[in-house]
Amino acid sequence: QLQLVASGGGVVQPGRSLRLSCAASGFNFTIYGMHWVRQAPGKGLEWVAVMSYDGSNKYYADSVKGRFTISRDNSKNTLYLQMSSLRAEDTALYYCAKGGCGGTMCYVNYWGQGILVTVSS
Amino acid sequence: DIVMTQSPDSLAVSLGERATINCKSSQSVLHSSNNKNYLAWYQQKPGQPPKLLIYWASTRQSEDLDRFSGSGSGTDFTLTISSLQAEDVAVYYCQQYFSSPFTFGPGTKVDIK
Repeated sequence: QLQLVASGGGVVQPGRSLRLSCAASGFNFTIYGMHWVRQAPGKGLEWVAVMSYDGSNKYYADSVKGRFTISRDNSKNTLYLQMSSLRAEDTALYYCAKGGCGGTMCYVNYWGQGILVTVSS
Repeated sequence: DIVMTQSPDSLAVSLGERATINCKSSQSVLHSSNNKNYLAWYQQKPGQPPKLLIYWASTRQSEDLDRFSGSGSGTDFTLTISSLQAEDVAVYYCQQYFSSPFTFGPGTKVDIK
């Protein structure tokens, strides 16, 4: 069955970096776009970033542009989110999510369980 | 950026009754090249990740979700739950994937009256 298992979360000080990983299984990872979406405690969903199936296209939310980098390794069926210059407002549950298409302009049709990132001194 | 708004913020409906949620985008999400509306609806129950209900504004993700329907075009969209069940208590979000950033609406909380 389809699985998206995120790791790498935790507590980090403001200004520091963190890298999230998302291991995918149960589907052909190499042909689907992949997203990161986050949800601050008690708040709504905020789309963060997307990468196309082959890594050729990627887009970011304005709030993370220049600080976060999405990447993927199709040989390892793994999606990454490198987060730098972290701020308190980046505290959230980060969801790794599978697109329904290979490109970037697509809905999300499966979500992982999420990984918590807390930015605090 | 496209701003998504939803109404109402919350609603309470009796079991078996219809629930209607509205979503509005600040600009059209209808792509002229394929005549598709780049609009999805998601359901999120407490403590769970979201679940896709509807994409391309009106395509149901699975047949066992047949009490959920999506309609609308351009900038105005509606999610309808035809006969509310107890398991439909959740927050519902719309999202546009027409242009980056792929923004979500603020969510509509649905409860049982």
